[in-house]
Amino acid sequence: GAVVSQHPSWVICKSGTSVKIECRSLDFQATTMFWYRQFPKQSLMLMATSNEGSKATYEQGVEKDKFLINHASLTLSTLTVTSAHPEDSSFYICSASDRSHEAFFGQGTRLTVV
Amino acid sequence: AQKVTQAQTEISVVEKEDVTLDCVYETRDTTYYLFWYKQPPSGELVFLIRRNSFDEQNEISGRYSWNFQKSTSSFNFTITASQVVDSAVYFCALTSNAGKSTFGDGTTLTVKP
Repeated sequence: GAVVSQHPSWVICKSGTSVKIECRSLDFQATTMFWYRQFPKQSLMLMATSNEGSKATYEQGVEKDKFLINHASLTLSTLTVTSAHPEDSSFYICSASDRSHEAFFGQGTRLTVV
Repeated sequence: AQKVTQAQTEISVVEKEDVTLDCVYETRDTTYYLFWYKQPPSGELVFLIRRNSFDEQNEISGRYSWNFQKSTSSFNFTITASQVVDSAVYFCALTSNAGKSTFGDGTTLTVKP
């Protein structure tokens, strides 16, 4: 199956700093990428949908100025958590979809803000 | 809108017992994909199976088996002869024709020795 690589797997950062998470489709062109978030002991919830070359569409309740998403190429999308705070500590995972619309998930990134 | 329901929040079994995790879904799409993932205490999502909506054939992989029934919109997961290492949170998910995924709330499985 298709491979989606997410980096880093885990990151610890200080409160107030920004963190960038990368999601790469290694062997296919991802026309659409999705970002999900999972708080402790909860399910995964969709944060935003990004199409290559256009602005991301955010789900209700997700701050677009805090979670910056860039999908500049067909193989790379980035999520930047700006001015991170402890409440942003979570598991973030991306998925990538090609023209067949089947989605493939990355390994996830565990963010801890101290 | 699509929805995935995992009615069992927590299940506890003794090692070597069989256990079935239920998953019921709702979607208006005719083409969709169903997934099961395992999330061990370490936190990563481990892919278990993907099924497309046109393939109702049941699948067996070692101690794992899946029963997909479109008539009841269910995609249940059975672990045979459970082991302690099977303890984890299991998520059922549905991916729409547009690639967007909806996850169930997860079932926490505890297998006791």
